[in-house]
Amino acid sequence: DADVTQTPRNRITKTGKRIMLECSQTKGHDRMYWYRQDPGLGLRLIYYSFDVKDINKGEISDGYSVSRQAQAKFSLSLESAIPNQTALYFCATSGRQNQPQHFGDGTRLSIL
Amino acid sequence: AQSVTQPDIHITVSEGASLELRCNYSYGATPYLFWYVQSPGQGLQLLLKYFSGDTLVQGIKGFEAEFKRSQSSFNLRKPSVHWSDAAEYFCAVGHGAGSYQLTFGKGTKLSVIP
Repeated sequence: DADVTQTPRNRITKTGKRIMLECSQTKGHDRMYWYRQDPGLGLRLIYYSFDVKDINKGEISDGYSVSRQAQAKFSLSLESAIPNQTALYFCATSGRQNQPQHFGDGTRLSIL
Repeated sequence: AQSVTQPDIHITVSEGASLELRCNYSYGATPYLFWYVQSPGQGLQLLLKYFSGDTLVQGIKGFEAEFKRSQSSFNLRKPSVHWSDAAEYFCAVGHGAGSYQLTFGKGTKLSVIP
């Protein structure tokens, strides 16, 4: 089984719908992250969480919200999806200080 | 603010040829640097990282990178490219307390021709 699991892997939905992307991890890491990837722009940080009670906005948090339900679960919500939120979304985790981040396989989200 | 520049959007090399992917960073403190690779339909896999010490870092799949503070660079190299190396490569700098946050470059797509 993958260490960082994202569900769903693909989603097509309509403008205005509420969407939730889920991430779970078995690595025992405290820190979890959500990124979006757009062609030619690399990865940009949406939100990050250092533990269940600590959630922080990243570079591009507008239009998104998150919930850290447990150490192992971190979900990303789009309250009212719009077409320019069409992207590939990645969840990542990291452990001790200065350790690298580990990524899930991504969720491809298309908003029509 | 920190930033990462990968000057080459797309590079094509012949199988067996050497490879160098460029990365320049801007960061006020000692940088923590990473190279990740993304194969089509996959997440990002860590190739190597630099935190301190020896400026030549060895990674997986035969890759290495050299940290040059004077040039603010962390270029990725491989002496002989294999067709399976075709992917997109991302350089990143860690920052924030404990370097928990990453800022990524925009990526370099590598194509390998037989």
